[in-house]
Amino acid sequence: GAGVSQSPSNKVTEKGKDVELRCDPISGHTALYWYRQSLGQGLEFLIYFQGNSAPDKSGLPSDRFSAERTGGSVSTLTIQRTQQEDSAVYLCASSSTRTGGDTQYFGPGTRLTVL
Amino acid sequence: AQSVTQLGSHVSVSEGALVLLRCNYSSSVPPYLFWYVQYPNQGLQLLLKYTSAATLVIGINGFEAEFKKSETSFHLTKPSAHMSDAAEYFCAVSVHRSNDYKLSFGAGTTVTVRA
Repeated sequence: GAGVSQSPSNKVTEKGKDVELRCDPISGHTALYWYRQSLGQGLEFLIYFQGNSAPDKSGLPSDRFSAERTGGSVSTLTIQRTQQEDSAVYLCASSSTRTGGDTQYFGPGTRLTVL
Repeated sequence: AQSVTQLGSHVSVSEGALVLLRCNYSSSVPPYLFWYVQYPNQGLQLLLKYTSAATLVIGINGFEAEFKKSETSFHLTKPSAHMSDAAEYFCAVSVHRSNDYKLSFGAGTTVTVRA
């Protein structure tokens, strides 16, 4: 079946603008993760959703970052008032508790460039 | 808190030679350990994982890794490198709690394969 998809694949924005990044997980996967991959910080966890439970936001770097997951499926990561240090590749992953939950399947990522 | 350290940011091997990528972990509880591969402009693909079963884990594409608790290591090997193995490799650890498997990644090792 289809894997994790993310859109857009590339996003260029100006400093101070808001951006929205979308993730479509694998159908039926209840867990969804966002990570950020940047040259300076490597791969970092941002936020985790599991079913209808409250999300684990412990990795969000500032209050400019937020995410939601509607209907237990699609997720949107929003960055307000973007800064140049937000430039990175944002990766989404999903997993299924029915198969143990420990294997995350990653999307191709969204490359964000803040000018 | 858990973390992993990958020794060597770049590894260059000849085609047909042994590939050895080193990973040491730190965790206060029994960890789950993973190796992921990332090809240019793509997401992460799981190579193999250790989840407290057999200590020698066989993965895809001829890769394997051995969990050594006494050395807190989870090194990745492949007996004979192929040109298609050129990529970036990430070691990761998770401490699984209530279906939360968020990953902490190492800094990555870039592998180049010489003809």
